[in-house]
Parts: sequence; structure tokens; C-alpha cells
Amino acid sequence: DTEVTQTPKHLVMGMTNKKSLKCEQHMGHRAMYWYKQKAKKPPELMFVYSYEKLSINESVPSRFSPECPNSSLLNLHLHALQPEDSALYLCASSYLDRGRYTEAFFGQGTRLTVV
Amino acid sequence: GDSVTQMEGPVTLSEEAFLTINCTYTATGYPSLFWYVQYPGEGLQLLLKATKADDKGSNKGFEATYRKETTSFHLEKGSVQVSDSAVYFCALSDQAGTALIFGKGTTLSVSS
Repeated sequence: DTEVTQTPKHLVMGMTNKKSLKCEQHMGHRAMYWYKQKAKKPPELMFVYSYEKLSINESVPSRFSPECPNSSLLNLHLHALQPEDSALYLCASSYLDRGRYTEAFFGQGTRLTVV
Repeated sequence: GDSVTQMEGPVTLSEEAFLTINCTYTATGYPSLFWYVQYPGEGLQLLLKATKADDKGSNKGFEATYRKETTSFHLEKGSVQVSDSAVYFCALSDQAGTALIFGKGTTLSVSS
């Protein structure tokens, strides 16, 4: 299995809703990432988990709350989002090669619309 | 800090034309370099990579050579197809390999 699977593919939520994005990989990768991508822009790093511990938070607002329940799963909990948070949310994972994380494998993304 | 600069698009070509997308980087040490491709409505797919100077990455007819002396990793393809129409991102992973740093992306449009 060489895939990163994200669910749902599309999500529409109101500003008062609580929802979660899910990501799963079974490649044994020990780093997992959340990226946010706006139209015609490169992905922006949000969070990095290394060995199930949060290692990087790129000053993301607290309305985004990541969780890594185990080495295969990564969640992003959403609460009280704003319309400007509408974007494609990408999950990725990578493996260690001689002590360095190497290329990231990306999921297909969740297209989030906040209304 | 580390950064990636790639040529602005869009790049518009006819089928079977030669493609070059320029990418240069700024980084301390010896980063790994990557090209990713994103088709409309999809996530990013790794196209090719190079992990040390003078390495050549290749895949699906695309090639890029890691040039440390010019800090470049230009993407080339000898004959593009309509199906190559997509956004191409150059990226690097620093020595800590913590996460990827992306260029702004180049949109390629190929017409028949």
C-alpha cells in the first residue's frame, strides 16, 4: 500500500460547526504533515508530527487542532472556521532515510468550503 | 532561510515541443531536491528527485540534474504531451529533512 488516504474529499461547513479531516497511511512512515493550499499557490506547511509527537506548528490559529492517535492516522479538528479558511487541505507522510526525512507522499486532499 | 525560486508561468507549448522549467534554490548544506506535479483537482505527486550534487532524477520522460555550482534543478522534457498539462512545483528538503519548502509553482498548458 503506497497511498495516503484522506477523507472526506469535499467538505462544506458553517462557521459554527465542528468537523474533522482524516488521513491514513500504511507505509510505516513516521512523519506526517498537514498542508493548506489556496488556489494557484504552493502548499503551506501547517503541522508536522514525528513519531506521533507534534514537532512543528507553523503558528496556525487554534481553530485548527491536529491529532495523531497512532503512527498511521492523522486528524485535523476544525472549529469556528472563517470563510478565508476555505482551501485544499493536504496530508502527507515521509520516511527516514539515513536519519533524514525524505520526500513527502501526498494524499488527494480535502476541499474545504466554509460558509 | 532556505528558499526555492522557479520561473513564473504560465508556460504554453504545442504538443511535442521541448520543455524547460527553471528552478534555483538557496540553502545551507546539501538539501534534497524534488519536482512535484499537481493535476487539476488532485494532490501533489512526486515526479522526480535528486539527493546529492550531480544526481539526475528522471521519470516519465522528465529529467532534472542537481547542479550545486549553479544551485539549480531545472526540469526538462524532450517532447511534451497534452496530458502533461498541470502545475509543477520545485521543492527542497533541508538537511534536517523536517519538511518541504516549495517554489511558487509553474502552470504548464500543452495544446494539440
